[in-house]
Amino acid sequence: SQQGEEDPQALSIQEGENATMNCSYKTSINNLQWYRQNSGRGLVHLILIRSNEREKHSGRLRVTLDTSKKSSSLLITASRAADTASYFCATDATGGFKTIFGAGTRLFVKA
Amino acid sequence: GAVVSQHPSWVICKSGTSVKIECRSLDFQATTMFWYRQFPKQSLMLMATSNEGSKATYEQGVEKDKFLINHASLTLSTLTVTSAHPEDSSFYICSAVVVEGNNQPQHFGDGTRLSIL
Repeated sequence: SQQGEEDPQALSIQEGENATMNCSYKTSINNLQWYRQNSGRGLVHLILIRSNEREKHSGRLRVTLDTSKKSSSLLITASRAADTASYFCATDATGGFKTIFGAGTRLFVKA
Repeated sequence: GAVVSQHPSWVICKSGTSVKIECRSLDFQATTMFWYRQFPKQSLMLMATSNEGSKATYEQGVEKDKFLINHASLTLSTLTVTSAHPEDSSFYICSAVVVEGNNQPQHFGDGTRLSIL
């Protein structure tokens, strides 16, 4: 299976609620990134967390990384309808030079 | 900063036609660019890594003669789908990195939706 796998596959919430997405991976990594993709568009880089970091914040985004469990989570607080998109985690393998994208979580925020 | 422009955004053509897709870094030089293919509701599949001034590195299972990549300058990479057939219909996305290295943030174009009739 692929290096990064997100869950849930799809998530539907009300505006104002928090959204949490998880990513699991299999091998050691140098860093992990989260990207967002609006329907029919390219990906936008959201945040990068290094393997020696445990938590990182950017605006309404909070990312955690647990290297012992080989997992990461992306929390979007106070969600807005405009947050509706697919969210992907992206990892590498230590010593590798490729970025591997997970299957993504499709988030739908209802106004 | 770090804007990547991809053109065209949408192509419909007849089977057997060759289609060229351009990927440009507008405000930075990109030694390395990436070409991905994405099927509906699925993740990105890396097709090849495009290196300025040298041959592209293709992923396993991607036909080099089918998907020609040319990275002739530090701001332009092109993907040509030769003799396209309906099974080549997909969403193709390019990206570029500002900083070389393992898993550095990628800056993506807006993709090209290719439909082969």
